Amino acid sequence: AQSVTQPDIHITVSEGASLELRCNYSYGATPYLFWYVQSPGQGLQLLLKYFSGDTLVQGIKGFEAEFKRSQSSFNLRKPSVHWSDAAEYFCAVESSNDYKLSFGAGTTVTVRA
Amino acid sequence: DGGITQSPKYLFRKEGQNVTLSCEQNLNHDAMYWYRQDPGQGLRLIYYSQIVNDFQKGDIAEGYSVSREKKESFPLTVTSAQKNPTAFYLCASREAGGQSSYNEQFFGPGTRLTVL
Repeated sequence: AQSVTQPDIHITVSEGASLELRCNYSYGATPYLFWYVQSPGQGLQLLLKYFSGDTLVQGIKGFEAEFKRSQSSFNLRKPSVHWSDAAEYFCAVESSNDYKLSFGAGTTVTVRA
Repeated sequence: DGGITQSPKYLFRKEGQNVTLSCEQNLNHDAMYWYRQDPGQGLRLIYYSQIVNDFQKGDIAEGYSVSREKKESFPLTVTSAQKNPTAFYLCASREAGGQSSYNEQFFGPGTRLTVL
């Protein structure tokens, strides 16, 4: 069965600074990977996804993620954080058998002025 | 605008009562999903349905039931057998047809259920 680990429960970053959120997955086949963002009390919005091809994936809101098979990682990055990026971020892997998503526990990002 | 609607946004229930959460989508997606979200635990799959009149249990189905009589609707009933039902519930949908760059799960805004 697939699984996802997000090692950082909470990250605080200054506005304008860079951000990196870690994600490690466990999956036997080629992984299909996603990053979602959730504002308090809201649903999830897709930031980006990796299916195949270029291992550096560009998403919305200036986010990017890099797939590294050797490290089983799919870390999310943003060069310069805005106050509106304060939210909870979830990494997920999709099963190729039944297209079910397995989510990490999430990383809460706080942005300080 | 295509999307997923969930109602109500907030729901209060007395212990021992069943309650049904609504999920409707107009994306013409075949697959629909119900998740439960608790602080610090991410999202856990309750039930999913790949096609009308068929559904499967997810990881935490005990105390929940679903139906899928129409493509656009996938209601979730939280029964009195669910020991700790207070949580945030999210519905999602996805196109069927395998994995491709076009297939991702789209989420509704969620329903917060509180048992009094």
